[in-house]
Amino acid sequence: AQSVAQPEDQVKVAEGNPLTVKCTYSVSGNPYLFWYVQYPNRGLQFLLKYITGDNLVKGSYGFEAEFNKSQTSFHLKKPSALVSDSALYFCAVRGAGANNLFFGTGTRLTVIP
Amino acid sequence: EPEVTQTPSHQVTQMGQEVILRCVPISNHLYFYWYRQILGQKVEFLVSFYNNEISEKSEIFDDQFSVERPDGSNFTLKIRSTKLEDSAMYFCASGARDNAYNEQFFGPGTRLTVL
Repeated sequence: AQSVAQPEDQVKVAEGNPLTVKCTYSVSGNPYLFWYVQYPNRGLQFLLKYITGDNLVKGSYGFEAEFNKSQTSFHLKKPSALVSDSALYFCAVRGAGANNLFFGTGTRLTVIP
Repeated sequence: EPEVTQTPSHQVTQMGQEVILRCVPISNHLYFYWYRQILGQKVEFLVSFYNNEISEKSEIFDDQFSVERPDGSNFTLKIRSTKLEDSAMYFCASGARDNAYNEQFFGPGTRLTVL
């Protein structure tokens, strides 16, 4: 079975500070991990993915994520948050051979000016 | 930048009525998906569609649900007899290639409210 956990419903950070949005996963075989962001009245937008290779993955808008196999985590990070980063963030996993994405419940990020 | 579009943005219907949710995937994509999100819950996979047939479906996707690609551009989800518990945000997604490596591109969603 595949599953994703996002333990924080909300994360608040001050503008300019580093941000972390947490994600842990459970999957049989090699995990393929994704982060999506959702702005109001918009669809889920792809940010980045981990398939293989370097554990630190860089994506859109200055975001990066660190894959940690021993902790089964894939936390989303950004060194310096912007107010415009405020949105709903979803972590998702896809097992090898699987057709679909398994999503977490989402974390609402608020960046305070 | 090409986008997945969905109509309507919000649909209100009475229990027992049929609804059709419409999606226009990105034009050169071949794989199509429907997901839903009940308020406050996870985004859940419903069905995937390739080469004019369902390739995978979840246990949520029972006989009340059907999908169709009636022409070269639209991808629809039909719910034959809506129930209160069908109230959710429904997301359409498309992908250029269907393997674990590739991301899916999502539409803005249709909020379905069943009264």
